[in-house]
Amino acid sequence: KAGVTQTPRYLIKTRGQQVTLSCSPISGHRSVSWYQQTPGQGLQFLFEYFSETQRNKGNFPGRFSGRQFSNSRSEMNVSTLELGDSALYLCASSLVGLAGTNEQFFGPGTRLTVL
Amino acid sequence: KQEVTQIPAALSVPEGENLVLNCSFTDSAIYNLQWFRQDPGKGLTSLLLIQSSQREQTSGRLNASLDKSSGRSTLYIAASQPGDSATYLCAVSPGDNTDKLIFGTGTRLQVFP
Repeated sequence: KAGVTQTPRYLIKTRGQQVTLSCSPISGHRSVSWYQQTPGQGLQFLFEYFSETQRNKGNFPGRFSGRQFSNSRSEMNVSTLELGDSALYLCASSLVGLAGTNEQFFGPGTRLTVL
Repeated sequence: KQEVTQIPAALSVPEGENLVLNCSFTDSAIYNLQWFRQDPGKGLTSLLLIQSSQREQTSGRLNASLDKSSGRSTLYIAASQPGDSATYLCAVSPGDNTDKLIFGTGTRLQVFP
């Protein structure tokens, strides 16, 4: 079974631009979560989607948004990029409802560099 | 507010040693706890998941324990190998209607031959 995939793997943008990252969960997984990882702040939760609905949201500005499609694939968007948005963005999926384990499986991440 | 701390921040050991990584959390109301490893610049690999009702889980040379009442978990690695070199992260899930994880600061492990 294929793991979580993320595209693109690497991205370079300039300040003020916007970016869209994509995540395809493991087949059959219905929950997708997004995280930002930086050297200074570590891993921080962005948001979580289940059945096309945002179920939880972290403490990030409104420039960060996401959505989930009917096939469980998810995208996150960052508008008006700032230098501090440079980070590794990780996506995770889980099979909600299977004995309530919600074990998270992560993708390889998208490395975003903002110049 | 849940906070997760890992000690030590870094560890360097010779091959073959048994070692213990520590994780502590401030709020005992957790749904489960998960241990991950991360290689430089890569994503996270799930190692073990412990439900809040469980005391420990084992996978190969890895054993993780959970003491929810005291807010602690340990990851025991037996007979360490250079391939175990990575950053180890613990994360807690705060509720049963969310997949949100709150991560610790990580322990960077180096195992030298």
